[in-house]
Amino acid sequence: DAGVTQSPTHLIKTRGQQVTLRCSPKSGHDTVSWYQQALGQGPQFIFQYYEEEERQRGNFPDRFSGHQFPNYSSELNVNALLLGDSALYLCASTGQGVSPLHFGNGTRLTVT
Amino acid sequence: EDQVTQSPEALRLQEGESSSLNCSYTVSGLRGLFWYRQDPGKGPEFLFTLYSAGEEKEKERLKATLTKKESFLHITAPKPEDSATYLCAVQTSRSSNTGKLIFGQGTTLQVKP
Repeated sequence: DAGVTQSPTHLIKTRGQQVTLRCSPKSGHDTVSWYQQALGQGPQFIFQYYEEEERQRGNFPDRFSGHQFPNYSSELNVNALLLGDSALYLCASTGQGVSPLHFGNGTRLTVT
Repeated sequence: EDQVTQSPEALRLQEGESSSLNCSYTVSGLRGLFWYRQDPGKGPEFLFTLYSAGEEKEKERLKATLTKKESFLHITAPKPEDSATYLCAVQTSRSSNTGKLIFGQGTTLQVKP
């Protein structure tokens, strides 16, 4: 049973560039959430997608946007990268009803 | 403002030395409290969900408990393989499902043989 998969695992970008991260949810899950985890901190909620629409959003600027496809996979886009965007970006999925979040191993983004 | 605080930030134990990790929360309404384990370079791995005060869950050497203001993760006779960062997270009444969680900063546990 495939868990949550994310790509790429590591990425280095320059300040001002744009980046796209990808996520496939766990089999049977239809809801995808994205989190940002800075070094030494807990994950922070960015947004959640269900039925191809953004359903909930955390306190992140509009530079952070996303998309969900009909097969439930998702993308996170970040525009105009800042040095402070360097972090581990985690994708998590859940199903309907009472279901805990299952996380992927993340994409490590470094902005130089 | 909803907030989750974990203590201590770091904990070093000898193998077999039992201890507890604390997670205190201040939220508008609690729908669920979650414990996760995170190994270096990996994503968080789900351990437990607790829904109401007085509830307890156990898994191997770990036991999680919940009161109206805090949760404890008790580790009994830990082994070196229990070394990891333990994260506590809450789902509040403002969130419609478990997808939006508020995390604490984590407790990094090191168990020495």
